[in-house]
Amino acid sequence: GAGVSQSPSNKVTEKGKDVELRCDPISGHTALYWYRQRLGQGLEFLIYFQGNSAPDKSGLPSDRFSAERTGESVSTLTIQRTQQEDSAVYLCASSQGSLETQYFGPGTRLLVL
Amino acid sequence: GESVGLHLPTLSVQEGDNSIINCAYSNSASDYFIWYKQESGKGPQFIIDIRSNMDKRQGQRVTVLLNKTVKHLSLQIAATQPGDSAVYFCAERAGGSYIPTFGRGTSLIVHP
Repeated sequence: GAGVSQSPSNKVTEKGKDVELRCDPISGHTALYWYRQRLGQGLEFLIYFQGNSAPDKSGLPSDRFSAERTGESVSTLTIQRTQQEDSAVYLCASSQGSLETQYFGPGTRLLVL
Repeated sequence: GESVGLHLPTLSVQEGDNSIINCAYSNSASDYFIWYKQESGKGPQFIIDIRSNMDKRQGQRVTVLLNKTVKHLSLQIAATQPGDSAVYFCAERAGGSYIPTFGRGTSLIVHP
């Protein structure tokens, strides 16, 4: 079946603008994760969804970051008033259950000018 | 705090050689370990995993070895091919936790 998809694949924005990043998980996967990956670095956990609820938001770096998930499917990560340090690849992953293997999407490359 | 790290940031091998990528972890509560491959411009791709009740697991051309005594994990790739060139991440997860901790990654370069 189809894997995890993310859109847009690339996003260039100006400092101070808001951006929305979208993730479509694998159908039937109840768990969904957002990570941030800076150049040459490992993955930084942002937020985890089980169904439509987010039991763990501990990784969100500031209140400018928020995420939601609807219909136990699509998730949107929103960054308000973007800063240059927000430039990174934002990766989404999904898994059948919270302790199952995570499968990643291709990521959204965000560049804040 | 607890961390996962890699010994070598870059590994260069010749096509056909065997590759070994190493990873150290420090969380003694970790009981599940995963290796991911990330090609340029793509998301991480699951390769193989191993649970702490095992010390070796084999896949297609890949073997993961786990040494719990020294908290060391390795990924062995047999007959390395140019298509294996990528960054390889190890990740560990403590029992009951749903968030794995990722290392920085090792860049594998395969020369034809």
